[in-house]
Amino acid sequence: QKEVEQNSGPLSVPEGAIASLNCTYSDRGSQSFFWYRQYSGKSPELIMSIYSNGDKEDGRFTAQLNKASQYVSLLIRDSQPSDSATYLCAVKPGTAGNKLTFGGGTRVLVKP
Amino acid sequence: ETGVTQTPRHLVMGMTNKKSLKCEQHLGHNAMYWYKQSAKKPLELMFVYSLEERVENNSVPSRFSPECPNSSHLFLHLHTLQPEDSALYLCASSRGTGDINLHFGNGTRLTVT
Repeated sequence: QKEVEQNSGPLSVPEGAIASLNCTYSDRGSQSFFWYRQYSGKSPELIMSIYSNGDKEDGRFTAQLNKASQYVSLLIRDSQPSDSATYLCAVKPGTAGNKLTFGGGTRVLVKP
Repeated sequence: ETGVTQTPRHLVMGMTNKKSLKCEQHLGHNAMYWYKQSAKKPLELMFVYSLEERVENNSVPSRFSPECPNSSHLFLHLHTLQPEDSALYLCASSRGTGDINLHFGNGTRLTVT
């Protein structure tokens, strides 16, 4: 079983719609969760972090965490073509001091 | 983005060559990382340095040799690589190893022929 799993996509979303991305993780002791965005040919950049159950909103982005079900999701409201990228879910396992485990990423395509 | 700079951007090398990747960070961070990103595979952590001291070596083959002369510079020395080592090599930094807000460089696209 992969430690952090994401659907590779592509997730095709009409402009203005909500893009919903999911991520599941295997280490029940994980405490910190992150979403990175990576444009084609560019480096990943951190867009959201979440540490406790529930929702966290930042602009058009909402991260949702459910530790009991071991999943974290990212919602992108009012999707724009500039949101087209690969979104990487990253998890800090409970026992690893300085190691982030990444999922394979979900490619999102926002169509005008 | 000029916080973390990697050179070269692209590198093609034969299996018998020796080359080095360079990373420099201008953020005043104390931790630096090497990650490998292969097609259709998750980002893989290779090495972690904290204040020039290696704190993690994630079971990386010895044909990859890191060097951290100071907290601003990180190198990855390559020798006798295999074609399957072709990938995007990303350098990252953070304030400390307890800070997981990683700042990535733009990477070096390595092709081993």
